[in-house]
This record gives sequence, C-alpha cells and structure tokens, in this order.
Amino acid sequence: NAGVTQTPKFQVLKTGQSMTLQCAQDMNHNSMYWYRQDPGMGLRLIYYSASEGTTDKGEVPNGYNVSRLNKREFSLRLESAAPSQTSVYFCASRDPRARRSHEQYFGPGTRLTVT
Amino acid sequence: GQSLEQPSEVTAVEGAIVQINCTYQTSGFYGLSWYQQHDGGAPTFLSYNGLDGLEETGRFSSFLSRSDSYGYLLLQELQMKDSASYFCAFETGANNLFFGTGTRLTVIP
Repeated sequence: NAGVTQTPKFQVLKTGQSMTLQCAQDMNHNSMYWYRQDPGMGLRLIYYSASEGTTDKGEVPNGYNVSRLNKREFSLRLESAAPSQTSVYFCASRDPRARRSHEQYFGPGTRLTVT
Repeated sequence: GQSLEQPSEVTAVEGAIVQINCTYQTSGFYGLSWYQQHDGGAPTFLSYNGLDGLEETGRFSSFLSRSDSYGYLLLQELQMKDSASYFCAFETGANNLFFGTGTRLTVIP
C-alpha cells in the first residue's frame, strides 16, 4: 500500500499560470480532502469530496477548482496562480465507515511557490 | 464563528511529561482529534475523543471535556523524536476537520 500519493513534490509558477495538483489513494477510502498550510499555521480546508462524484467547498475555496475523477483520484486546479497561493498543499483521505473512521491519512505534500 | 486556541510553543526535558492544551469554540462539535507533524513532513493521526474522558494510546493520552470546550494531549516519557508540531482539530457536522495553528514542542536533553 502506497497510501496517499501526491505529484508533483515541488512546483514554481509565475503569476497567472495554471496547474493541476494530483492526488491518489489506494486504501479504497470514500472521502478525500485538499488542505493548504502556510508557514507557522495550521491546515485550512480548501475542498473536500465525501464520495465519488461529489465535491464541496471548504474554508478557503477561492481561486481553486477540484475534480474527483474516480474513487482513487482527487485533483486540485489553480486556474490563474497568485502569490497568495504560495503554500504547502496536502491531500488526505479517510474511510468514514472504518473502525478508525476519524483518522485522516495525509500525502507527503506539494510545495508550491508562485512568483 | 469557529476557533481553536493552543499554545504556540512548549519546551520539555527528555523523559518528562508534557501537556498541550486546546480550547475550542464552534456551534457544531463532533469530536476532537490530535495530529503530529515533523518539520517538512505530513501530519499523522495520534488520537480522537468523541466522548468526555481520557483516551490512552501508548505514551500518548488525550482528554476531552465537552462542557468546558477543552481538551489536552499528554505525552509521557518524552523522547527526542517527539520534537514536532502538534495540532488539535475539531470535527464539524460535515465530517471535516478544523485545525488549530499548532504547538511546537521542543524536547531538550
């Protein structure tokens, strides 16, 4: 089991460029999440997907879009990157029906810099 | 609104016990989780309290008092590898997590 994987690990963008962050999990989890973490801060929820085919806004959705491509994959897209989106992005998943249903499993993160 | 408060930094001696407090404010509360994050790493789950009381997992314990909107994480027999950031997070009605800003624990010899 690879758990939660994210690509790329690092990315530098110029203001106005677009890109998609990829996330995949092999644990057959229904729920998936995208967070951002700014220096010295906690994680803030951008978007989440409770199950395949559904997505909902989190705390800080502006400037982002998501796609739940299938049960395994949940991508995050920045249509026109801004310096304020410089952050570390984490994808996570969980299985609400499991014995440890409250545990979220995190990927290694994508470190994004927008210049 | 929603908020979480926890100390920004804590320092403790190797082998000692340390308690990290967390107070929260929210209209919908379903439980309190704790996550550990080493520098440059991903958060990893430590514990969850859905009901009042103490949950113990090895050297780590977590406590919740719903009436006081308060919880804490207790780390015993501290080791150098416990130096990390610790986040409390409450679970909302949508089964999502709202994270605090974290407590940086430094364990000194």
